[in-house]
Amino acid sequence: DIQMTQSPSSLSASVGDRVTITCRASQDIRNSLAWYQQIPGKAPKVLLFGVSILGSGVPSRFSGSGSGTHFTLTISSLQPEDSATYYCQHYDTTPPLTFGGGTRVEIK
Amino acid sequence: QVQLVESGGGVVQPGRSLRLSCAASGFIFSNFAMHWVRQAPGKGLEWIAIIWYDGSNMFYADSVKGRFTISRDNSNNTLSLQMNGLRAEDTAIYYCARGFEYASSSPLDHWGQGSLVSVSS
Repeated sequence: DIQMTQSPSSLSASVGDRVTITCRASQDIRNSLAWYQQIPGKAPKVLLFGVSILGSGVPSRFSGSGSGTHFTLTISSLQPEDSATYYCQHYDTTPPLTFGGGTRVEIK
Repeated sequence: QVQLVESGGGVVQPGRSLRLSCAASGFIFSNFAMHWVRQAPGKGLEWIAIIWYDGSNMFYADSVKGRFTISRDNSNNTLSLQMNGLRAEDTAIYYCARGFEYASSSPLDHWGQGSLVSVSS
């Protein structure tokens, strides 16, 4: 099974900061990578899929890059409403569709 | 609009069974693969099962294989998860989620609000 490793596990940043989260796959997953945002007490919401395609209604300050085994999620200018936990997930070929361990983003 | 509404959660003793349901509306249910994802208290997301749009294939995480069964009723727009032999470590919020149309493997673009299952004696 493919393992997904996220870093850091948590971070604290100020409004307006540029934030980057990394996700590594244990084997090549091509571009079959999605990012989700989960606000406490809510269901997850897809932010990006296909590495860099924005989900419906997702602000353009969110972007994704990478291919193969190394991927990044960038928030170009952190906003108060971005306080949440972010998860990567691969969906390459057959299941299981593993999630990364999550990155908790806190606003200073 | 797309809606997914889970039901059937609750408190159950170890070793017992529970059946979750997910009522889908706002889209052509029979065109989409469906998933179950769970989240233990204070923990991350764990994908546990998928059923293809036509019910022809199902896959499970190792943690639930042989104990849980995913199924669907395309005539009633309902997804189900039969959970047998429940363990304390199955305590979690269970989400149903939709994949992409006709895709066997895809991101999850809509999620329900979740149903809490608590396994305790």
